[in-house]
Amino acid sequence: AQSVTQPDIHITVSEGASLELRCNYSYGATPYLFWYVQSPGQGLQLLLKYFSGDTLVQGIKGFEAEFKRSQSSFNLRKPSVHWSDAAEYFCAVGGSGYSTLTFGKGTMLLVSP
Amino acid sequence: EAQVTQNPRYLITVTGKKLTVTCSQNMNHEYMSWYRQDPGLGLRQIYYSMNVEVTDKGDVPEGYKVSRKEKRNFPLILESPSPNQTSLYFCASSSDVRVGELFFGEGSRLTVL
Repeated sequence: AQSVTQPDIHITVSEGASLELRCNYSYGATPYLFWYVQSPGQGLQLLLKYFSGDTLVQGIKGFEAEFKRSQSSFNLRKPSVHWSDAAEYFCAVGGSGYSTLTFGKGTMLLVSP
Repeated sequence: EAQVTQNPRYLITVTGKKLTVTCSQNMNHEYMSWYRQDPGLGLRQIYYSMNVEVTDKGDVPEGYKVSRKEKRNFPLILESPSPNQTSLYFCASSSDVRVGELFFGEGSRLTVL
């Protein structure tokens, strides 16, 4: 069965500093990987996705993620965090043989002034 | 505007009183799904539907029912709610869940006393 681990429950970053959120997955074949963001009181919104090809993918709001098969990881990065990036971030895994996505438990990002 | 609409957004009810949370999407998506979100547990899938009249259990289906009589609607039914069903519920839809872009509603916060 597929699974996703987000090791960090909370992360605090200073505004303007760089950000990396970790995601490790378990999947038997080639995974489809996703990052979603949930702002307070809102539903989830897709930030970016990886299916195949270039292992560095660009998303909305200046985010990027890198797929590393050898490490079973799909970490999310942003070079300079803005206060509006404070939210909860979810990594998810799916695949061509599955009819559902499996989400991690989320990482809450706090941005300090 | 493309959207997934859930109602009610907030509900307080009592144990055993049947309730229905409605979900409607205007994107002609075949796939629809219900999730519940609880602190520390992330998003867990309750039920999903690949198309009209096709539904299947997710990870936590106990105590819930669904139906998919029309493509646009996917109501979640709690026949006899209990306090452990107090949660934040999200409906989501997708044209193809394998490619991962789920569109989420804004959530329904349910409290069962």
